[in-house]
Amino acid sequence: DAGVTQSPTHLIKTRGQQVTLRCSPKSGHDTVSWYQQALGQGPQFIFQYYEEEERQRGNFPDRFSGHQFPNYSSELNVNALLLGDSALYLCASRSWQTNQPQHFGDGTRLSIL
Amino acid sequence: AQKITQTQPGMFVQEKEAVTLDCTYDTSDPSYGLFWYKQPSSGEMIFLIYQGSYDQQNATEGRYSLNFQKARKSANLVISASQLGDSAMYFCAMREMYGQNFVFGPGTRLSVLP
Repeated sequence: DAGVTQSPTHLIKTRGQQVTLRCSPKSGHDTVSWYQQALGQGPQFIFQYYEEEERQRGNFPDRFSGHQFPNYSSELNVNALLLGDSALYLCASRSWQTNQPQHFGDGTRLSIL
Repeated sequence: AQKITQTQPGMFVQEKEAVTLDCTYDTSDPSYGLFWYKQPSSGEMIFLIYQGSYDQQNATEGRYSLNFQKARKSANLVISASQLGDSAMYFCAMREMYGQNFVFGPGTRLSVLP
């Protein structure tokens, strides 16, 4: 039973570029959330997708956008990258109807030069 | 206002000893869930234990137990018989009934000494 998978594992970009991160949820899960985790801090909620719609959003600028596909997989897009966007980006999935815990992927480590 | 507080940036424990990691939370929702996650240096976030706000008994999962004191809004994680592999960051998180996202605390770095 595959868990949450994220790609790529590492990425290096320069300021001003755009990046797309990908996430496949755990089998049976239909809800995907994205988090940004800066070094030494706890994860910060970016947004959550269910039924291909953004259901909730944290305090992140519009440069951060996302998408969910019919197979429940999701993408996180970040435009006009800033040095401060360097972080570990975590994807988590769960079933919308249950109170079960989220399952996390291994993350994508994004470095901005 | 910070919803999850973890006051211990770092903790040390001797191998085979028990350790308690503190977590306090703030919510006005009557229904919520509390979670603990472990994050080793490799980065993956591993679910450890869950406590629902209406659960009468404290949650236990193997060597992990959650000391839930609802009136004090605290949900401390107790790890019994610490192992070297327990060295990691530990995050307390909460999900409120009307919110679908998790709010994480700043984490506690646990180091288990041989």
